[in-house]
Amino acid sequence: GQQLNQSPQSMFIQEGEDVSMNCTSSSIFNTWLWYKQDPGEGPVLLIALYKAGELTSNGRLTAQFGITRKDSFLNISASIPSDVGIYFCAGGPLAAGTSYGKLTFGQGTILTVHP
Amino acid sequence: DAMVIQNPRYQVTQFGKPVTLSCSQTLNHNVMYWYQQKSSQAPKLLFHYYDKDFNNEADTPDNFQSRRPNTSFCFLDIRSPGLGDAAMYLCATSGQGKGYTFGSGTRLTVV
Repeated sequence: GQQLNQSPQSMFIQEGEDVSMNCTSSSIFNTWLWYKQDPGEGPVLLIALYKAGELTSNGRLTAQFGITRKDSFLNISASIPSDVGIYFCAGGPLAAGTSYGKLTFGQGTILTVHP
Repeated sequence: DAMVIQNPRYQVTQFGKPVTLSCSQTLNHNVMYWYQQKSSQAPKLLFHYYDKDFNNEADTPDNFQSRRPNTSFCFLDIRSPGLGDAAMYLCATSGQGKGYTFGSGTRLTVV
């Protein structure tokens, strides 16, 4: 089945530093999604990407959908303590304009930000 | 605000005692999913409903069942919970061009 390799598994950074994480796959996806999950909560969508090559920003977050459709990265600039959490990438067949598709999740990146 | 609501947030059940988790949505999405997430792991899809059509994942144990009485509600039934079923259970929905929305989850403890 499809698998996503998400790296790094964990990061320990100082407040103010930039962060980068990525996901790669052996399969093509039509959608790349990035989620953040706080302890005891469900995943919250950060950025959704629907087009190869697409570069999208959401505040201090920037994500890109790889040209090959087999990878995506997420950057966080000027990290702050509330950025702490687990970040998941997810790939899916879901295309813009459709409603259905199963997600394949990466293993997650645990981010710790030291004040 | 339109959202996905899961109740309860925390559920404690006894080993072997049936338990039901609920999910409701105000998004009018036609697809609803149930995921199981164990500590620090990625969510794992158990099954989903596309409208009224139930789709079970091949490796989902028979112990897990689901009901969707209408568009807004979906239930996860665990017939005989074991210690290994302790996890966060996440409900998600997807709709036309709207992507996925997750609920806050129900943390299940089996004692």
